[in-house]
Amino acid sequence: QSVLPQPPSASGTPGQRVTISCSGSSSNIGSKTVNWYQHLPGTAPKLLIYSNNQRPSGVPDRFSGSKSGTSASLAISGLQSEDEADYYCAAWDDSLNGPVFGGGTKLTVL
Amino acid sequence: QITLKESGPTLVKPTQTLTLTCTFSGFSLNTNGVGVGWIRQPPGKALDWLALIYWDGDKRYRPSLKSRLSITKDTSKNQVVLTMTNMEFVDTATYYCAVRYFSTLLDYWGPGTLVTVSS
Repeated sequence: QSVLPQPPSASGTPGQRVTISCSGSSSNIGSKTVNWYQHLPGTAPKLLIYSNNQRPSGVPDRFSGSKSGTSASLAISGLQSEDEADYYCAAWDDSLNGPVFGGGTKLTVL
Repeated sequence: QITLKESGPTLVKPTQTLTLTCTFSGFSLNTNGVGVGWIRQPPGKALDWLALIYWDGDKRYRPSLKSRLSITKDTSKNQVVLTMTNMEFVDTATYYCAVRYFSTLLDYWGPGTLVTVSS
């Protein structure tokens, strides 16, 4: 699996809760932990969630992650305008013997 | 504070070899468990992992590109170098380096450098 499927787009209004899904297989999400990244074009991707549901220091608790079987989700509550960005999931893939990334979801805050 | 920055040519010709340097600070590539990787993103497409080198010298490559890639480290200079031979138009992308520092994947990233392959 060269790319983990994600919905290409998502949207919400300020204050709403949105979720972004990421699908995998037994060789990646099904047996490994998932990271989520936030990416604004022209900047360095930022780690939002690691080990399925852990937040690095400095990441607001509005961001949360979960995993079930071969799928993972990122939830953003209390949506803010600055959350408008691209979001990517990632997991180690045993077939690739390296990280595999999601196709990315462009989040628009209406 | 951990920082990484990619450097190298912005334009290469088809068949040429690309050499990119990742210069980092805030961590040591001598530390157990640490690894530095390269990832690229063609315009409008997804992120693709290319190569990874660990503190102990272990190297991993994307299977489909393994014959064209080489990753090395210079711990005295805090640098990791990626070379990609026989560049093609489809290799046009933004190239990122990133460090595996505390998670099992890649934690901190550089801002990326756009490499265009054109004759």
